[in-house]
Amino acid sequence: QVQLMESGGGMVQPGESLRLSCAASGFTFTSYDMHWLRQAPGKGLERVASVRYDGGNKWYADSVKGRFTISRDNSKSTVELQMNSLGVDDTAVYYCAKDLGLARTIWYFDYWGQGTLVTVSS
Amino acid sequence: TVLTQSPATVSLSPGERATLSCRASQSVGIYLAWYQQRPGQAPRLLIYDASNRATGIPARFSGGGSETDFTLTISSLEPEDSAVYYCQHRSNWQLSFGGGTKVEIK
Repeated sequence: QVQLMESGGGMVQPGESLRLSCAASGFTFTSYDMHWLRQAPGKGLERVASVRYDGGNKWYADSVKGRFTISRDNSKSTVELQMNSLGVDDTAVYYCAKDLGLARTIWYFDYWGQGTLVTVSS
Repeated sequence: TVLTQSPATVSLSPGERATLSCRASQSVGIYLAWYQQRPGQAPRLLIYDASNRATGIPARFSGGGSETDFTLTISSLEPEDSAVYYCQHRSNWQLSFGGGTKVEIK
C-alpha cells in the first residue's frame, strides 16, 4: 500500500534553516508529481511546493518563493523540502502528498503522510 | 481564486443529511476536490473533478456543481464523519483551499 513518511521537523529559531524529507513506497514513484503542504496550528491547508514526476517543473507558494526549495531523488523514492530563512509564520505541520495523476500534473492529493511539525520560535 | 465554504460549522444527528457548500470567486470549471480531515489526522481525498469519488470512499459521499458553486453531500451521517471538510480548486496553474466546514455529530 502507499506509504509516505515525513521526517526532519523540529524547533528552530527565526532565520534558521531546516530540511524535511519524505520517503515514499508502495507505488511507482517516478510516475507521480509530489507535493509539500502545510497546516498552521488551528488553521487551514496551504500548498507549499510541488515537483513534477520527472523533476522537470517546480511550483511554489508565493509565501515561500525564494526561501524554500523542493527536490526529489527518483532513485531513492524521496522528496525533500529545504527551508531557509524561516519565520514564525512558517510554524505548521508539513505534509508530504502524492498527486492523483499518473505521469501528468493533476494537483489533487490522493495520499498524505502523517505530517511533521515545524516550530519556529525564539 | 478564493474559495468560500459555508456554513462554518454544522451540527447534525446520525442518519441525517449534510450539505456543504463551496463557492469560488471565479469559474473553476469542474476542477474542484473535497477532503475530509478528522481530528489529529492527515486530510483524505473524498471527491475530485467535482463529482468523482476517490478510491475507497463510501457511496454516502457525493459531490456536485460546476463553475462557481459546488456542494458536498453526506447522505446519511455516521459518527465517524465528524471532521473538517475542505474544498480545493486546481485551475489555470493555480491551487487553493477553502477555509473548511466543521461537521459535528450530535
